[in-house]
Amino acid sequence: DQQVKQNSPSLSVQEGRISILNCDYTNSMFDYFLWYKKYPAEGPTFLISISSIKDKNEDGRFTVFLNKSAKHLSLHIVPSQPGDSAVYFCAARIPAGKSTFGDGTTLTVKP
Amino acid sequence: DAGVIQSPRHEVTEMGQEVTLRCKPISGHNSLFWYRQTMMRGLELLIYFNNNVPIDDSGMPEDRFSAKMPNASFSTLKIQPSEPRDSAVYFCASSLRSGGQNEQFFGPGTRLTVL
Repeated sequence: DQQVKQNSPSLSVQEGRISILNCDYTNSMFDYFLWYKKYPAEGPTFLISISSIKDKNEDGRFTVFLNKSAKHLSLHIVPSQPGDSAVYFCAARIPAGKSTFGDGTTLTVKP
Repeated sequence: DAGVIQSPRHEVTEMGQEVTLRCKPISGHNSLFWYRQTMMRGLELLIYFNNNVPIDDSGMPEDRFSAKMPNASFSTLKIQPSEPRDSAVYFCASSLRSGGQNEQFFGPGTRLTVL
């Protein structure tokens, strides 16, 4: 049972446009949702998070939206830059501290 | 801070050999996680520790895998005997468990190839 799903394995956008990465979850006990970015040959790095009591969190070009009723969250990157090309993982955390990761979405931003 | 340190970065071994992966978490962090990444299964949590105590090892695939954390600054993941299907990238991550988001800081990973 995959509790965190990223249904789009890949996404390609033009530089300057918006990138929207989606994530669905099934467990209502998740209290934090996090996005990580991963470049080849490196470990994932934390990007942005949102608490389950909020519906939006913004940090510069990155905004995460949470729709609890739909058990869905999305990461918006505006404007997209070629350096944003990476694999993006959605992760959901239970209060005990364990995080479950999605399979990742490979974002390609074309110049 | 140097971040999470993993060694070796690459390991190539033959089937049946013992493999030991090492991790030094960020100083002050009290949670440590071992993950395995493969094309087929994505990023899987194998085991995690809080304050050096294993909390959840349900992700450890079988008895050939074992992990220890003898102190707050060192952990090992051992595979004995190793098999070709163990080939993957193994990540160690650490975090400071608090009331907040507790984001994890990942090491660069160890790429294991079992021939």
